Amino acid sequence: AQKVTQAQTEISVVEKEDVTLDCVYETRDTTYYLFWYKQPPSGELVFLIRRNSFDEQNEISGRYSWNFQKSTSSFNFTITASQVVDSAVYFCALSLSTGNQFYFGTGTSLTVIP
Amino acid sequence: EAQVTQNPRYLITVTGKKLTVTCSQNMNHEYMSWYRQDPGLGLRQIYYSMNVEVTDKGDVPEGYKVSRKEKRNFPLILESPSPNQTSLYFCASSLQGQEQPQHFGDGTRLSIL
Repeated sequence: AQKVTQAQTEISVVEKEDVTLDCVYETRDTTYYLFWYKQPPSGELVFLIRRNSFDEQNEISGRYSWNFQKSTSSFNFTITASQVVDSAVYFCALSLSTGNQFYFGTGTSLTVIP
Repeated sequence: EAQVTQNPRYLITVTGKKLTVTCSQNMNHEYMSWYRQDPGLGLRQIYYSMNVEVTDKGDVPEGYKVSRKEKRNFPLILESPSPNQTSLYFCASSLQGQEQPQHFGDGTRLSIL
């Protein structure tokens, strides 16, 4: 069963636009961890953020912000004033306190057009 | 430099010819894992290991084997590769299990003809 859903397969925006990448997860565990990773065209996977289920505070890091809402089981990622260097595939991932597996979404490919 | 090293980076081989993809990390991490990445399917976990001599199946373990004899190494073995194992493979490690972010290797692109 799919535990992480990234419904947006591909998104294109013009440079300087804001863009939000959606992530919806599914679990009955009360303790879990959520992650976002970036995969630029060069192919490596880069860790962006980790959030545990007890910390619903939103986080901002420069142009990046994350909105964690347990009520809707969502952990959305917003890029403000997008830049060409933001073009990449972005993955949302979930791990549970029970078991040691990671579950990744299918990724959202973001293209920022100059 | 802290890193996860995979070898080879690219491999083209034929059905049935056993192959091993090596993975080594220099961060003294306890948790190591293998993923495959396929278009439209994201990353799927193949196997993971919580520590030496402790390995467990992920979501797609069929056709793969792993071993963890040393903390730093976690090779992925394809005993009899088939074309449906053509994929991009990533090794990853984290300090301790599922709570922490993973560091990924650069990937290995396998083509099984």
